[in-house]
Amino acid sequence: DQQVKQNSPSLSVQEGRISILNCDYTNSMFDYFLWYKKYPAEGPTFLISISSIKDKNEDGRFTVFLNKSAKHLSLHIVPSQPGDSAVYFCAASAGNTGKLIFGQGTTLQVKP
Amino acid sequence: NAGVMQNPRHLVRRRGQEARLRCSPMKGHSHVYWYRQLPEEGLKFMVYLQKENIIDESGMPKERFSAEFPKEGPSILRIQQVVRGDSAAYFCASSPPGRPQETQYFGPGTRLLVL
Repeated sequence: DQQVKQNSPSLSVQEGRISILNCDYTNSMFDYFLWYKKYPAEGPTFLISISSIKDKNEDGRFTVFLNKSAKHLSLHIVPSQPGDSAVYFCAASAGNTGKLIFGQGTTLQVKP
Repeated sequence: NAGVMQNPRHLVRRRGQEARLRCSPMKGHSHVYWYRQLPEEGLKFMVYLQKENIIDESGMPKERFSAEFPKEGPSILRIQQVVRGDSAAYFCASSPPGRPQETQYFGPGTRLLVL
């Protein structure tokens, strides 16, 4: 049972444009959501997070939007840069358990 | 401040052998998590440990897998009698005391290949 889903395996955008990565979840008990970025042969690197009591969190070029009624979150990267090319994972947790449930990942390619 | 360290980075084992994966958390971090990433999949939670305690092992296979985080030294994920299906990247994460889901920092991973 895939509780966190990233339905787009890949996304390609032009440098300078907006990248929008999407994530859907099924468990209404999730109260904290995170986005990680991963390069090949490296571990995931934390990007940005959002609590379920908020609907938006912004950090520089990265903004995460949460729509609780739709059980959907998205990561916006503006403007996209070639160095943003990586695999992006969304993750969710319920309560203060420390257990993160990850989506399958979306590979972002930003073309110069 | 060194990040989360894992070793070895690559490990090759033959079927039936044992694999030991080590994780040293970031300085000041007392919580350790292990995740496994199978090819073409996302990371799957395995176990959450604090010093000398297993907090949540709901993601651990029932047999052959064990984990520990002793009072001194690194956390160890041990896989006995490895099979080809154990081939994966194993990631360790650590966090300081407090709100563990907010501050998990990942190591570079150990890539296990079972021949």
